[in-house]
Amino acid sequence: GENVEQHPSTLSVQEGDSAVIKCTYSDSASNYFPWYKQELGKGPQLIIDIRSNVGEKKDQRIAVTLNKTAKHFSLHITETQPEDSAVYFCAARSVDNTDKLIFGTGTRLQVFP
Amino acid sequence: NAGVTQTPKFRVLKTGQSMTLLCAQDMNHEYMYWYRQDPGMGLRLIHYSVGEGTTAKGEVPDGYNVSRLKKQNFLLGLESAAPSQTSVYFCARSRGSAGNTIYFGEGSWLTVV
Repeated sequence: GENVEQHPSTLSVQEGDSAVIKCTYSDSASNYFPWYKQELGKGPQLIIDIRSNVGEKKDQRIAVTLNKTAKHFSLHITETQPEDSAVYFCAARSVDNTDKLIFGTGTRLQVFP
Repeated sequence: NAGVTQTPKFRVLKTGQSMTLLCAQDMNHEYMYWYRQDPGMGLRLIHYSVGEGTTAKGEVPDGYNVSRLKKQNFLLGLESAAPSQTSVYFCARSRGSAGNTIYFGEGSWLTVV
């Protein structure tokens, strides 16, 4: 089955700097890759996603890139702000007729003012 | 709450006790999921349902049972709670397959002593 690895587990940046979180997946047939943000005490919320027929997608300060050949995808946050501090999860959708999302282990991002 | 309501939000159980977590959605979505979240392990799928009256096993189904008698509700049962089931449980919904967004509830914190 699908396996997703996420790095780093923690990331500290200065306000205004960029942050990059990377994930790799094992199943070359996976075709949907969402990113979730989880604030303390709350459920994960989708912030951006990308499908396998697209190499890059942007939404304001957030972008995701996908390299299908290397089987990795990354989340890029530019001009970070303190409210970006949270745990971020990547995921890949298994395509074994079950549509399950397999999650990475999360990255705790801290943005210091 | 992304249209997903979980009850109870907090619960402490003694080993061997049973309990049911209730998840209710208000969007008439076909798919519903139960995940558990443990430190350093991300979110792992316990069971899921692709429609009323259907259930299927996820990555970590042992020790849990589920039912989806009504489309709006997805129940997660622990027949004989164990300390290893201490976790945060998240219910989620999605319209269907093919990369539809998964929306999570706010979580239920369960401690088994």
